[in-house]
Amino acid sequence: DVKVTQSSRYLVKRTGEKVFLECVQDMDHENMFWYRQDPGLGLRLIYFSYDVKMKEKGDIPEGYSVSREKKERFSLILESASTNQTSMYLCASSHSGEVWANVLTFGAGSRLTVL
Amino acid sequence: GQNIDQPTEMTATEGAIVQINCTYQTSGFNGLFWYQQHAGEAPTFLSYNVLDGLEEKGRFSSFLSRSKGYSYLLLKELQMKDSASYLCAAMDSNYQLIWGAGTKLIIKP
Repeated sequence: DVKVTQSSRYLVKRTGEKVFLECVQDMDHENMFWYRQDPGLGLRLIYFSYDVKMKEKGDIPEGYSVSREKKERFSLILESASTNQTSMYLCASSHSGEVWANVLTFGAGSRLTVL
Repeated sequence: GQNIDQPTEMTATEGAIVQINCTYQTSGFNGLFWYQQHAGEAPTFLSYNVLDGLEEKGRFSSFLSRSKGYSYLLLKELQMKDSASYLCAAMDSNYQLIWGAGTKLIIKP
């Protein structure tokens, strides 16, 4: 009973390539998030979306963009990948509401390596 | 600035009890979350505390002291499957989560 699905578990890309990371949730959640997870650091929020076609910058949006054309799908785009974007990318979703918005259901992650 | 501190790694024995501490400094405070993350897997929600005191949920309990900026996660009757990273996150005045780096818990038989 998979609830948040990330399209690629492992990706290897070259510097300068455009990268798409796709995330789909089947729980009818209003909110969707993209985080990156690096060793020794807490999760860092890249972008989030609280509704279709809406997006908000998180703590580290530089070098990334997002798209949410449908409620269930939230895409993360790296326009021109760089080696410092090598990381684990986690997608999450949640219901609306101040507290419920932070009860997150995460996907299994996409490990991106940029050479 | 905003900061969450938790130990990097802890080791405990199967069947024992372990307490994972977390201290936080945030701009405003609206509650404290704990998530569990097994290696190579997605984090999963464990608990949310907003009031002072201990909340028990089976073998896991979570404690909060707002005046001290302190929380802990207590795991009893440890099982090998409890080997995981435990992520502490505080919700600030904007209801945004500030995450700690996680505590890797190693359970030995």
